[in-house]
Amino acid sequence: GQQLNQSPQSMFIQEGEDVSMNCTSSSIFNTWLWYKQDPGEGPVLLIALYKAGELTSNGRLTAQFGITRKDSFLNISASIPSDVGIYFCAGYYNTNAGKSTFGDGTTLTVKP
Amino acid sequence: DTAVSQTPKYLVTQMGNDKSIKCEQNLGHDTMYWYKQDSKKFLKIMFSYNNKELIINETVPNRFSPKSPDKAHLNLHINSLELGDSAVYFCASSQDPTGTHTQYFGPGTRLLVL
Repeated sequence: GQQLNQSPQSMFIQEGEDVSMNCTSSSIFNTWLWYKQDPGEGPVLLIALYKAGELTSNGRLTAQFGITRKDSFLNISASIPSDVGIYFCAGYYNTNAGKSTFGDGTTLTVKP
Repeated sequence: DTAVSQTPKYLVTQMGNDKSIKCEQNLGHDTMYWYKQDSKKFLKIMFSYNNKELIINETVPNRFSPKSPDKAHLNLHINSLELGDSAVYFCASSQDPTGTHTQYFGPGTRLLVL
């Protein structure tokens, strides 16, 4: 089946630093989604990408749908303590009958 | 109002017991899911229902049986619980199963099997 490789697995950064994480796949996807999971909560959607090459921002977050349709990245600028959590990428391909493939997550720790 | 709710939030039980987790969504969505998140935080889909019909059934032991009495509810029953079933179980819903719409996750049920 389709697998997503998400990296890095974890990051420890200082408040104010920029963060970059990415997701790669051996297969193409039609949709890339980025979720954030706060400690003790369920994942919440941050950004959805529907077209190859698409670059979308949501506040300090920016995500891009790779041209090859096999990768995506998420950047966070000027990190703050509440950015702490686990960031998941998820990919969909239409023939997957709605099954999302999730990456293994990037755990972000922000030191004040 | 909570969009996707799950009960209970915590569940501690003995090996061999049977337990159920309930999920309800008030978003009017057609599709609901169950995910399992293990201790390494990996999120794996277990089941998906669209309009009360099962559409995704991953390689999950048949001790796990989902039931959707209506499209707003998707419950998960687990028979003969094992130590390895300890995890956080998330329910989610989306507008349709095509994958073009976001999934809304519940707060999770933390299951600990002793």
